[in-house]
Amino acid sequence: EGQLVESGGGLVQPGGSLRLSCEASGFTFSSYWMHWVRQVPGKGLMWVSRINIDGRVTSYADSVKGRFTISRDNARHTLYLQMSSLRAEDTGLYFCVRDAHSSVLVQNWFDPWGKGTLVTVSS
Amino acid sequence: EVVLTQSPATLSLSPGERATLSCRASQTISSSLAWYQHRPGQAPRLLIYDAANRATGIPARFSGSGSGTDFTLTISSLEPEDFAVYYCQQRSHWPLTFGGGTKVEIK
Repeated sequence: EGQLVESGGGLVQPGGSLRLSCEASGFTFSSYWMHWVRQVPGKGLMWVSRINIDGRVTSYADSVKGRFTISRDNARHTLYLQMSSLRAEDTGLYFCVRDAHSSVLVQNWFDPWGKGTLVTVSS
Repeated sequence: EVVLTQSPATLSLSPGERATLSCRASQTISSSLAWYQHRPGQAPRLLIYDAANRATGIPARFSGSGSGTDFTLTISSLEPEDFAVYYCQQRSHWPLTFGGGTKVEIK
């Protein structure tokens, strides 16, 4: 069914940068749209970004547009999220998520999920 | 933005009991709703999509219903592993949004 393992989280100062990675296994990575979803401590979930199967089509939540860049390397089965100009409100647990069904068209249902990597933006 | 309001915030039940979780959308979203389960320390998992379709491998005790603005997730008989937080999510309108969650706890 697939596994996703995130890495790259940590403590960063406001205005700083961080790159998250997500290694995928157990499925044909290049056949699925991929997403990042954030969970703010004590609060709910927020969709952050998505990328299509060949990496040419991307979308972002308004709150991260212009600061975050999603990308993928299908040969390495890896998804990335480059985060810059980080703010305190970007703090959270970042989940790498696969679109639930393989398709050239995005489904926007999420399955499976990784366990997340924690990003803390604080001085 | 479509706001999804989940109720109750916490549901205290015993194993074997029936759980009924609600998700209400601020505007009509047809059947474009999913439900997820999140156990502490684990990855969330998709339970239901398109309001009523069980995802692969999800037990039959989980069922979803509703359309328009009112949706329900029902767990017919709670198993110990079902005590978790449940989220709804809509894909009908941009941006994609989630509800605030319902925690199902052991009474």
